[in-house]
Amino acid sequence: GQNIDQPTEMTATEGAIVQINCTYQTSGFNGLFWYQQHAGEAPTFLSYNVLDGLEEKGRFSSFLSRSKGYSYLLLKELQMKDSASYLCAVRDEDYQLIWGAGTKLIIKP
Amino acid sequence: DTEVTQTPKHLVMGMTNKKSLKCEQHMGHRAMYWYKQKAKKPPELMFVYSYEKLSINESVPSRFSPECPNSSLLNLHLHALQPEDSALYLCASSQGAGGGVEKLFFGSGTQLSVL
Repeated sequence: GQNIDQPTEMTATEGAIVQINCTYQTSGFNGLFWYQQHAGEAPTFLSYNVLDGLEEKGRFSSFLSRSKGYSYLLLKELQMKDSASYLCAVRDEDYQLIWGAGTKLIIKP
Repeated sequence: DTEVTQTPKHLVMGMTNKKSLKCEQHMGHRAMYWYKQKAKKPPELMFVYSYEKLSINESVPSRFSPECPNSSLLNLHLHALQPEDSALYLCASSQGAGGGVEKLFFGSGTQLSVL
């Protein structure tokens, strides 16, 4: 079967750094996405990885290791507005998106 | 314009009602999607339209009926829904429905409650 695992919830302090992990087992791989979703709102695109390595975009970075079936999203200089759910999604061999259940990130002052 | 617009934002309906959800995008995207999302769960794909043709129907009950009148509009017609259908319904679009960085642009969703 197809499976994506993320921690259910994480807590971090304003100004700190947090790493949200995602492991996946899918039939084929055609890219991995990270989306941010604030409560009651639509998911918004954060990053896309298809090759191994680190993609940096401002305070957010995303890493991929295809051989390990592993990705992480790194958030630096955390702000209160970063409190949200972070969804990992993998596109499989049929180009269908398989979604993780999301990680709820709580930022404390 | 990089928005996907969904209406209404909230909808309460009885099990015998007929209602429609509407979605619009003007980014020239050729693929449009309906997702259903329950609280604290990931989005579940319902339907995909590619070039105005239904390309994926994820075994959705017939009480949900999608319609794509043109390349900018996507509707979801609802009839005889059940209380367990209460959820956030998200519309999304992407430039195409294939590979590459086909990131999804989501609308803000319709929060549906079925009584």
